[in-house]
Amino acid sequence: EPEVTQTPSHQVTQMGQEVILRCVPISNHLYFYWYRQILGQKVEFLVSFYNNEISEKSEIFDDQFSVERPDGSNFTLKIRSTKLEDSAMYFCASSEETLVRFGPGTRLLVL
Amino acid sequence: GESVGLHLPTLSVQEGDNSIINCAYSNSASDYFIWYKQESGKGPQFIIDIRSNMDKRQGQRVTVLLNKTVKHLSLQIAATQPGDSAVYFCAENLSGTASKLTFGTGTRLQVTL
Repeated sequence: EPEVTQTPSHQVTQMGQEVILRCVPISNHLYFYWYRQILGQKVEFLVSFYNNEISEKSEIFDDQFSVERPDGSNFTLKIRSTKLEDSAMYFCASSEETLVRFGPGTRLLVL
Repeated sequence: GESVGLHLPTLSVQEGDNSIINCAYSNSASDYFIWYKQESGKGPQFIIDIRSNMDKRQGQRVTVLLNKTVKHLSLQIAATQPGDSAVYFCAENLSGTASKLTFGTGTRLQVTL
């Protein structure tokens, strides 16, 4: 069964640094998402992306965040200047329509 | 200050018994629901979904029941196995088309031998 893949699995960065989290969605999917999960808490929606543009974003997804589909297979989340509170698991997801499949996540630790 | 993690409700079930995990959703306009299983350190894994025009859907060893009147969703797992131990989340979709999912708090299922 096709899967969403994410790299890296773990990322440690200093506060104020930029990070880019990478994802390869399932190949025939049209909708792409980023979610995050702070340790011990529930999964939270960040942004959805369709037809090369953001279709919806949450309050969390402020100007420090951006997404990009640089080519036909990758989907990236950039955090420009990381804060301590950005430490979380970041999940990429994709869907053909409504059934959303999640990747394994990138654990981001901001020191 | 330091954020405090949610205290997840925990359901402890003996191997071989049936499990019922409940979820109250928030928005009466939600018309699509998914149950996910999350094992420690992994991403949410799809289990089963249901649309609001249905009240029951069955999969392999799992059944989802939807009660729109009281905005309640349940996941039934038959003959629970140790590999079923995980945190289970329900998620609701407001628009019925690809859009954001709103996740519930989650329930930890512990299967005892």
